[in-house]
Amino acid sequence: NAGVTQTPKFQVLKTGQSMTLQCAQDMNHNSMYWYRQDPGMGLRLIYYSASEGTTDKGEVPNGYNVSRLNKREFSLRLESAAPSQTSVYFCASSDSGREQYFGPGTRLTVT
Amino acid sequence: RKEVEQDPGPFNVPEGATVAFNCTYSNSASQSFFWYRQDCRKEPKLLMSVYSSGNEDGRFTAQLNRASQYISLLIRDSKLSDSATYLCVVNMRSGGSYIPTFGRGTSLIVHP
Repeated sequence: NAGVTQTPKFQVLKTGQSMTLQCAQDMNHNSMYWYRQDPGMGLRLIYYSASEGTTDKGEVPNGYNVSRLNKREFSLRLESAAPSQTSVYFCASSDSGREQYFGPGTRLTVT
Repeated sequence: RKEVEQDPGPFNVPEGATVAFNCTYSNSASQSFFWYRQDCRKEPKLLMSVYSSGNEDGRFTAQLNRASQYISLLIRDSKLSDSATYLCVVNMRSGGSYIPTFGRGTSLIVHP
């Protein structure tokens, strides 16, 4: 099993460009999550999907959109990237209320 | 006030030492609790779940105190390889969902 996979691993964008971060899990988990991690800030929840067909805002949703494409896949879109969105992005999945499993992360730089 | 708080450290200890971290949470509706380990520039990985009765996994012991709203992690006989950031996670029930909240992490450095 691959667990949780994320693409791309690295990305550099110019301000105003858009992109989609992809995430897939093969553990048949109902819940999926997107986090960002900045130095000294810990992981902050951007959006989550408790089950296929549902998405909800987390702590820092502004500037992002998500799509739960099916049970396996949960994508994060930046419509108009800003330098403040420079961060490391982690996707995770879990059974409801259980431990989460994380992807390797996407390192995004917006110039 | 952040919902989940940890002392950022760093805790700088010699090999073989015993070290303990605490994590406090503010929401009494919190349902499940975990400790994760994160190495530099890597993804967090589950270290252990935290059960009400306390639980142990080798050199690691986790405890939950619901009355005082904190969880703890004790590491005995520290190894160089234990150097990492330790994150506590609290899941809070909201409607039919569980919403995880991470602490900012505690940095541990184990030196020879």
